[in-house]
Amino acid sequence: DTEVTQTPKHLVMGMTNKKSLKCEQHMGHRAMYWYKQKAKKPPELMFVYSYEKLSINESVPSRFSPECPNSSLLNLHLHALQPEDSALYLCASSQVYTGGAGYTFGSGTRLTVV
Amino acid sequence: AQTVTQSQPEMSVQEAETVTLSCTYDTSESDYYLFWYKQPPSRQMILVIRQEAYKQQNATENRFSVNFQKAAKSFSLKISDSQLGDAAMYFCALCTSGTYKYIFGTGTRLKVLA
Repeated sequence: DTEVTQTPKHLVMGMTNKKSLKCEQHMGHRAMYWYKQKAKKPPELMFVYSYEKLSINESVPSRFSPECPNSSLLNLHLHALQPEDSALYLCASSQVYTGGAGYTFGSGTRLTVV
Repeated sequence: AQTVTQSQPEMSVQEAETVTLSCTYDTSESDYYLFWYKQPPSRQMILVIRQEAYKQQNATENRFSVNFQKAAKSFSLKISDSQLGDAAMYFCALCTSGTYKYIFGTGTRLKVLA
């Protein structure tokens, strides 16, 4: 299995809702990442997990809450989001805790906040 | 500060022809990696090619090759025998050895004309 699987593919949520994004990989990668991508822009790093521990939080608002229950699974819990949070959310993983090996990305979750 | 610049927002190429996408970067580090990622309408970021800065030999992957000019801090991508499936947004990215963070360029949208 050489894929990163993200669910759901599309999500529409209200500003008072709570929802979660899920990311799964079975490549034995020990680093996992969440990126946010606005239309026609490059991805922006949000969080990095290394060996199931949060290593990096790029000053992301607390309405985004990451979780890494095990080495294969990464969640992003969403609560009280704003319309400007609408974006494509990409999950990625890598073999080692550096970017040099290259990431494997998922297909993303298209999030719309109404 | 590290930067990556893609000066061509959009490029077009005739099917079966060759096209070159430009990327320049700036870093004070001596050990780093450069990447080209492809993002088709399916949204998944796909690693096209990877170059280690300490290697003088240009990386190649089938129809894809790079022209890595370290002194000029230039990293262009050449696509030979272009195919309709090559149509996508292409992002150039820089990652310093030992870090997790990619610095992405703003992307070049490639159109392939039949």
